[in-house]
Amino acid sequence: DTAVSQTPKYLVTQMGNDKSIKCEQNLGHDTMYWYKQDSKKFLKIMFSYNNKELIINETVPNRFSPKSPDKAHLNLHINSLELGDSAVYFCASSQVVNFVSEAFFGQGTRLTVV
Amino acid sequence: QKEVEQNSGPLSVPEGAIASLNCTYSDRGSQSFFWYRQYSGKSPELIMFIYSNGDKEDGRFTAQLNKASQYVSLLIRDSQPSDSATYLCAVSSSASKIIFGSGTRLSIRP
Repeated sequence: DTAVSQTPKYLVTQMGNDKSIKCEQNLGHDTMYWYKQDSKKFLKIMFSYNNKELIINETVPNRFSPKSPDKAHLNLHINSLELGDSAVYFCASSQVVNFVSEAFFGQGTRLTVV
Repeated sequence: QKEVEQNSGPLSVPEGAIASLNCTYSDRGSQSFFWYRQYSGKSPELIMFIYSNGDKEDGRFTAQLNKASQYVSLLIRDSQPSDSATYLCAVSSSASKIIFGSGTRLSIRP
């Protein structure tokens, strides 16, 4: 009964390929995110969606294209993969409750570009 | 200047002692403040949140917030080896933006 699930868990691919990561949440949250965590553990926000609408795009290269078909899903497509894209990508969702918005994370997708 | 700053550590604390983790943030409009724990190879999980100045206690954990100084801290009393992890400070200025620090690695030595 996973709250935020993302697939695949591991992804190994060659430079120049195109790949997608899928994310689904069953918490009924309005907001979903993509974060990138590099080897130094820095968790950097990439995108934020609220009710399928893009709210935040943190200067991410346009090779990264998020898509939210409905508020329970937020997928990430990456074109022309580069070595520097290797990282762990986390999907998360949140909902404001009593003025507080707590993020729940998926298990992460470890992307390795070779 | 990073939006949320933490000392990367590692911070080494003897078992049974108090571990003190600190975080500063730059956006004065920030409203909610979080501490997440992340074990190696796992996803972050929420330990505590705080949104009012002062202290908030939950079991062995105490979060402290000082908005005037733009400072958040987490105290862990009676530290256990299972507390060894990376602790991420996070700050929210709106419902759609939660910004994380780079984390502090905590090691509890037996």
